[in-house]
Amino acid sequence: GAVVSQHPSWVICKSGTSVKIECRSLDFQATTMFWYRQFPKQSLMLMATSNEGSKATYEQGVEKDKFLINHASLTLSTLTVTSAHPEDSSFYICSAMIQGLGEKLFFGSGTQLSVL
Amino acid sequence: DQQVKQNSPSLSVQEGRISILNCDYTNSMFDYFLWYKKYPAEGPTFLISISSIKDKNEDGRFTVFLNKSAKHLSLHIVPSQPGDSAVYFCAASANSWGKLQFGAGTQVVVTP
Repeated sequence: GAVVSQHPSWVICKSGTSVKIECRSLDFQATTMFWYRQFPKQSLMLMATSNEGSKATYEQGVEKDKFLINHASLTLSTLTVTSAHPEDSSFYICSAMIQGLGEKLFFGSGTQLSVL
Repeated sequence: DQQVKQNSPSLSVQEGRISILNCDYTNSMFDYFLWYKKYPAEGPTFLISISSIKDKNEDGRFTVFLNKSAKHLSLHIVPSQPGDSAVYFCAASANSWGKLQFGAGTQVVVTP
């Protein structure tokens, strides 16, 4: 099956620093990728839709200047958490969509971010 | 506002028995529903889906039932196997299948 690689799997950073998370489609081209966030015991919440070559579309309540998304190629989308604060500590996960494969999304393994 | 709800955070079932996972939704615009399975340290993987034009979809040991009037769907796993132990997420979409609303997940533990 299609593989989506997400890196790093976990990261600890100091408050005020920025963290970049990468999401790669390894064996297919993904024109659209999605970024989610999950707090403990809560749902996966869609943060933004990343489209190759264009600006990301952010969900209501998600600060686009804080969560920078770049989808510069058909196989790579990055999420940068800028000036991270402890409340940004969460599980972040990406997914990629294959055109023409119906409803199947392929997910990365997620990144656990802890901001001290 | 959580539009997809899985009210049971956990479920324990004996091997060979049926596992029934429930999911409720509030948005009547949802027209496609999916179940994903997630093992620790891995991303969710697609399991089974159902369109709103159907009320049942079956794939091997997995069957999903949809009750539109009740805004309720369920996933039946029969017979349950130890390898089914995982977190199961219910998800729904409205007109754009890639943009999903997820439930909080149900941890299933299948005991020998």
